[in-house]
Amino acid sequence: QQPVQSPQAVILREGEDAVINCSSSKALYSVHWYRQKHGEAPVFLMILLKGGEQKGHEKISASFNEKKQQSSLYLTASQLSYSGTYFCGTEIRYAGKSTFGDGTTLTVKP
Amino acid sequence: EADIYQTPRYLVIGTGKKITLECSQTMGHDKMYWYQQDPGMELHLIHYSYGVNSTEKGDLSSESTVSRIRTEHFPLTLESARPSHTSQYLCASSDVGPRTYEQYFGPGTRLTVT
Repeated sequence: QQPVQSPQAVILREGEDAVINCSSSKALYSVHWYRQKHGEAPVFLMILLKGGEQKGHEKISASFNEKKQQSSLYLTASQLSYSGTYFCGTEIRYAGKSTFGDGTTLTVKP
Repeated sequence: EADIYQTPRYLVIGTGKKITLECSQTMGHDKMYWYQQDPGMELHLIHYSYGVNSTEKGDLSSESTVSRIRTEHFPLTLESARPSHTSQYLCASSDVGPRTYEQYFGPGTRLTVT
């Protein structure tokens, strides 16, 4: 079952913060995040494997609440280079494959 | 640096033609995937493979077929292309174990069927 992302789109000014959410109706084994710039392939950002785990990647971090079956991606002090579409991918235990959300388009303006 | 390649990058072809989209990776990854993505839309898994001689259908029904005779090569074939097949096709690969969901994507093939 496809995870649900929110919001669908967000527009920011440089330096502002954003949160993108990803939730599933099924128990999750892991959540992974990708960013795709227009006309390019998705690029892996990070994976979260354990409940309550948080990870960081420069000014981009994420949390995974296994009990609530949801993950959030935090972008702080956003830069122009953060613009793109963010996808979460979720895996149900032993499924062997992941399912991607429908994406959140982030636009950072000067 | 991920090393996964797709050819052709762009293909415009007439209805009824047979086409093969090529995907190769040099990372020795066991798992490979094919996704279909319309512009600005989500990624739909159409095929995946755990290794040589292993292929599975994904979540989105597709008239395409795949083969995995060599670890590094995962071609996708459409026997008879139709306009409804017009889309972008992305190939990806990943390692096994803890990093299995860190997928490396190829640049994609943008297919237009006229």
